[in-house]
Amino acid sequence: ETAVFQTPNYHVTQVGNEVSFNCKQTLGHDTMYWYKQDSKKLLKIMFSYNNKQLIVNETVPRRFSPQSSDKAHLNLRIKSVEPEDSAVYLCASSLGLGNAETLYFGSGTRLTVL
Amino acid sequence: GDSVTQTEGQVTVSESKSLIINCTYSATSIGYPNLFWYVRYPGEGLQLLLKVITAGQKGSSRGFEATYNKEATSFHLQKASVQESDSAVYYCALSENYAQGLTFGLGTRVSVFP
Repeated sequence: ETAVFQTPNYHVTQVGNEVSFNCKQTLGHDTMYWYKQDSKKLLKIMFSYNNKQLIVNETVPRRFSPQSSDKAHLNLRIKSVEPEDSAVYLCASSLGLGNAETLYFGSGTRLTVL
Repeated sequence: GDSVTQTEGQVTVSESKSLIINCTYSATSIGYPNLFWYVRYPGEGLQLLLKVITAGQKGSSRGFEATYNKEATSFHLQKASVQESDSAVYYCALSENYAQGLTFGLGTRVSVFP
């Protein structure tokens, strides 16, 4: 049963464009995340967001920015995409921010940058 | 930084045979990380299979087991008798610090044939 919803499933765009991905969770969780899975299948955390506290992975380029209207939504904006941004972006949520928390993932958004 | 190494690529196994996916980890903190196995079934999102947060303990779910071996820094996933429905991609992961999120292995695709 899906409880973390991501849109779109796929997006193709050109270098320099701005893109935005949406994520909504219906689990009543307090914490949401964005992960990136690159072409080598490596999954890495980009952001976590809890009670208006944003934690950023220091390796994330500044053209990426998360946007949250409430604790059930965490969108991802990329200001000016580059070829290396081609990847699958996974949204997730958890009850809280502890390091033993179970993460619930969406099905992902595949971005292709031409 | 932290890292997780697991059986690479694809594993093909006959139904009712045993399966083992190797996972070893390297953690930077002096404590013990929390260890996880996540799974992605075809057409579904990534989901937790099992987790163990105490060294020396065993986790189990859906017939799979994994034991947290801190001496060997391993967390191998095993199942005595697989079914076709176990065909999926399996990811080993660790978490030490909520700010750093989960550190994943590259995933192992398991194909079970009748």
